[in-house]
Amino acid sequence: DSGVTQTPKHLITATGQRVTLRCSPRSGDLSVYWYQQSLDQGLQFLIQYYNGEERAKGNILERFSAQQFPDLHSELNLSSLELGDSALYFCASSATGGNTEAFFGQGTRLTVV
Amino acid sequence: GQQVMQIPQYQHVQEGEDFTTYCNSSTTLSNIQWYKQRPGGHPVFLIQLVKSGEVKKQKRLTFQFGEAKKNSSLHITATQTTDVGTYFCAVNQGGKLIFGQGTELSVKP
Repeated sequence: DSGVTQTPKHLITATGQRVTLRCSPRSGDLSVYWYQQSLDQGLQFLIQYYNGEERAKGNILERFSAQQFPDLHSELNLSSLELGDSALYFCASSATGGNTEAFFGQGTRLTVV
Repeated sequence: GQQVMQIPQYQHVQEGEDFTTYCNSSTTLSNIQWYKQRPGGHPVFLIQLVKSGEVKKQKRLTFQFGEAKKNSSLHITATQTTDVGTYFCAVNQGGKLIFGQGTELSVKP
């Protein structure tokens, strides 16, 4: 158990809809990362938050947004969903970000139909 | 932005054979991390290398960081079926933890 909790584990929704994925980092970790992993694809970095503020952004679509709350949990919002958004979404946390190891949650498998 | 190339993409070995995956960067790295993702699982941190020429071992796994800090390798000696999974290297780029494409290892018993 990595200590990172993601909910829900599975999500099936229709095109055009909006969903929210939730992540609770390990206790004490200030940094949260979001990744997208499509079938046979690697881990695509989406965005990173550190202590409530956005720190780094990857190739995140404009339809996607995220935030980190004062209690350090984070949410990833995906809107106007398309079939191609179907993927495994991972959240990871680390103590300070940067050069410390990242602990991954179990992921949320999103299926858009 | 920083890119890290990882090869090979796939590797199929017979149990007992050795396995190596390589990561290469066009720029000097401050450090490099390695992760393993089992089928159906999530990435799990294995190790971080920081020093030029560093070599670290974890049982049958040997990790190396190049002298120029632009490449790294993970070598598994005498693979076992429990080694199956995808191995990723990851580098830090201004706060972003960027992963290589991964090497998927399959082991035939």
